Amino acid sequence: GEDVEQSLFLSVREGDSSVINCTYTDSSSTYLYWYKQEPGAGLQLLTYIFSNMDMKQDQRLTVLLNKKDKHLSLRIADTQTGDSAIYFCAEKGNNDMRFGAGTRLTVKP
Amino acid sequence: EAEVAQSPRYKITEKSQAVAFWCDPISGHATLYWYRQILGQGPELLVQFQDESVVDDSQLPKDRFSAERLKGVDSTLKIQPAELGDSAMYLCASSSGWGSTEAFFGQGTRLTVV
Repeated sequence: GEDVEQSLFLSVREGDSSVINCTYTDSSSTYLYWYKQEPGAGLQLLTYIFSNMDMKQDQRLTVLLNKKDKHLSLRIADTQTGDSAIYFCAEKGNNDMRFGAGTRLTVKP
Repeated sequence: EAEVAQSPRYKITEKSQAVAFWCDPISGHATLYWYRQILGQGPELLVQFQDESVVDDSQLPKDRFSAERLKGVDSTLKIQPAELGDSAMYLCASSSGWGSTEAFFGQGTRLTVV
């Protein structure tokens, strides 16, 4: 089947930038997403990018897409302690959405 | 702000018992998804509805799981009998329709089977 892979853990200091990486295998993906999940909660959509774009910026968030390498990244500028959570990369092909295992971001004061 | 409602938030059940979860999507959303998220993993799609019709249930363990969305609005996911391995977070999501770019998730139901 098609896979979405992410590194499991990332630790940064407050105020630094965080970069969370994701790779996917489905070349027919039309949209790629970043979701945030806090403990015990559902998934919150942070941002998404259409597959014909290579960058999208939304306030502190920057998404970069390398479609050739099937690589997606999420950069969080000026990371805050409130950004500590699990971040899921997801891709959408025909109509279903497939998720990575999530990257746990820990922000140290 | 409109949101996807799920209940209960938490459920503890004994193995071999029946359990059911309920989801009310955002008003007007035609597409409804049920996902299972095992601890430490990403969500996996169990079933997808378009209005009242199932469009994808290929990953639903049909010997024990069932899902319905009779009037094309709210939905129920049932497990009978529950097994220890069913312990997970069950997430419901909805989107406005076929090909919609965004899916909105509920808070989930945390199921523990003992």
